Amino acid sequence: QVQLQESGPGLVKPSQTLSLTCTVSGGSISSGAYYWNWIRQHPGKGLEWIGYAYNSETSNSSPSLKSRVTISVDILKNQFSLKLTSVTAADTAIYYCARGFPGVSVPGSFGWFDPWGQGTLVTVSS
Amino acid sequence: DIVMTQSPDSLAVSLGERATINCKSSQSVLYSSNNKNYLAWYQQKPGQPPKLLISWASSRESGVPDRFSGSGSGTDFTLTISSLQAEDVAVYYCQQYYSTPPTFGPGTEVDIK
Repeated sequence: QVQLQESGPGLVKPSQTLSLTCTVSGGSISSGAYYWNWIRQHPGKGLEWIGYAYNSETSNSSPSLKSRVTISVDILKNQFSLKLTSVTAADTAIYYCARGFPGVSVPGSFGWFDPWGQGTLVTVSS
Repeated sequence: DIVMTQSPDSLAVSLGERATINCKSSQSVLYSSNNKNYLAWYQQKPGQPPKLLISWASSRESGVPDRFSGSGSGTDFTLTISSLQAEDVAVYYCQQYYSTPPTFGPGTEVDIK
């Protein structure tokens, strides 16, 4: 079955760029059937959707983060990545990658997330 | 954005007893044309990622025990664990996918009494 695994630095300095990669195994990221998402969870808190990439030309992100987020796919490596610029302590969180199902019928609708990677803790600190 | 709320924040239930978690959306997530509620439920155990339990408000995922059930429509939803087992100790989240951005409830922590 499809499995996802996050990788990247666990510590990022304030004002720098957070960069994470999600490696997908057991399925092709280029199938066109799914959205490839990043979701974060602040320590002890709830879940916040960051954004997705669908293919090399289509991506979307949360309005609250849009100006700082880039999500892209690398079909050859079967990976997708997240870049979050100008980070602050408020960006300290566990970052998950997750496969998302496309919306049905309702314009602008989304889908659920399954499966998820194990998550990686990213701390923003000098 | 659609705001999701959950109640209670936490609950403790005796083994074998029923646990009920409520989820409310700030606007309806029911699409009348297909009569589907765009709502999912997840279980998150300590140190683990969330696991999808239910989609379309009441459709249990393959492999999820049938003691888990989802109900509700429009703006009000419920996740019920009919007979709580020790392995059900977790935080449970609802998520709407009716509109972008998808949003989650704050979570309900379920523990053993």
